[in-house]
Amino acid sequence: QITLKESGPTLVKPTQTLTLTCTFSGFSLRSSGVGVGWIRQPPGKALEWLTLIYWDDDKRYSPSLKSRLTITKDTSKNQVVLTMTNMDPVDTATYYCAHSHPSTMAIFDYWGQGTLVTVSS
Amino acid sequence: DIQMTQSPSTLSASVGDRVSITCRASQSISIWLAWYQQQPGKAPKLLIYKASSLESGVPSRFSGSGSGTEFTLTISSLQPDDFATYYCQQYKDYSWTFGQGTKVEIK
Repeated sequence: QITLKESGPTLVKPTQTLTLTCTFSGFSLRSSGVGVGWIRQPPGKALEWLTLIYWDDDKRYSPSLKSRLTITKDTSKNQVVLTMTNMDPVDTATYYCAHSHPSTMAIFDYWGQGTLVTVSS
Repeated sequence: DIQMTQSPSTLSASVGDRVSITCRASQSISIWLAWYQQQPGKAPKLLIYKASSLESGVPSRFSGSGSGTEFTLTISSLQPDDFATYYCQQYKDYSWTFGQGTKVEIK
């Protein structure tokens, strides 16, 4: 059974750096074809894909946010970490981590419950 | 970026209705399109991938069609659990984008 869970701060100040951790079980990021991504959703708004990391350490970033994002993995801990710099109130959103679908490696078949991050002074 | 536009934004329907949601891409994405369902306060759930492939465990009343720039999600007979918001996602290139969502509400 695949599960994912996001953890990190619920409140960050403008200009600070956000670090979120996705802890997963039921699969390994050492296995070929596996990926874990991050997607966010501002309150009442649409989904926005942020980044994804693959088993071979290939990383993909949203072009509009690339300069602010870093994704890393720790296969021994079954964790993926998202870092987003220079946070702004418009970055207030629920942040989800998700497992990439094995047939495409580009869509998401298992999601965490999400964690709401509020950016405010 | 490839822009995805869904219509309508809101759809009012009754249990048992056949409903369709359209997703248009700003350029051709072949068949690289997925559909998700999101219940309030929950994470999205994958329904359809590669435009028309039904994800395992998803009821057969859901179907997808289309290619190129125009795609459709159809629910053949709306059930109470289907009142939710639906999103399309293109994955043609490594700049994946979602539509703005279509809320299916009770008429």
